[in-house]
Amino acid sequence: EPEVTQTPSHQVTQMGQEVILRCVPISNHLYFYWYRQILGQKVEFLVSFYNNEISEKSEIFDDQFSVERPDGSNFTLKIRSTKLEDSAMYFCATRGLPNEKLFFGSGTQLSVL
Amino acid sequence: KQEVTQIPAALSVPEGENLVLNCSFTDSAIYNLQWFRQDPGKGLTSLLLIQSSQREQTSGRLNASLDKSSGRSTLYIAASQPGDSATYLCAVSEYSGGSNYKLTFGKGTLLTVNP
Repeated sequence: EPEVTQTPSHQVTQMGQEVILRCVPISNHLYFYWYRQILGQKVEFLVSFYNNEISEKSEIFDDQFSVERPDGSNFTLKIRSTKLEDSAMYFCATRGLPNEKLFFGSGTQLSVL
Repeated sequence: KQEVTQIPAALSVPEGENLVLNCSFTDSAIYNLQWFRQDPGKGLTSLLLIQSSQREQTSGRLNASLDKSSGRSTLYIAASQPGDSATYLCAVSEYSGGSNYKLTFGKGTLLTVNP
């Protein structure tokens, strides 16, 4: 089965630093998402991206967050100035069409110290 | 705002037992519903996808049903095995604008199948 690839698998950073999380979507998928899961809590929607623009973003996705697909393949999530509360597992997800299932990557565990 | 609830939060069964996991959602205007499996520290694996117009989907020992009008879905696992031990997540897909849809997740049911 095709896979969504995320790098790095683990990222440790100091508070206030910038981090970039990377995702390689499944080839020919059109819809891209970032979700996150704080330890012990629900998986939460952050942002959806289609046709090179953000479709929707959650309240969590404030000005410190940004997404882009710079080279037509990688899909990135940038956190400009990390906070302690940004520590979570971040998942990239992609799909081909809206009525198809969503494929998730294995996640990046972000720890902000 | 959509809320997804899963009952029970945890379930422990002996190997071979059939079991049912429950999911309920507050807003019936969903596009589809997906069941996922999550192993500790890992990503989410899609198990079954049910479109809003469908009543059930089956894959191997798994059967998922959907009653959109009452806001409920069940995941039935037949003849459970120790390898089925994982957290099972239910998620509903809603329109989020710009030809796109987002998932809202439940907190999951932690299943332990004992040999």
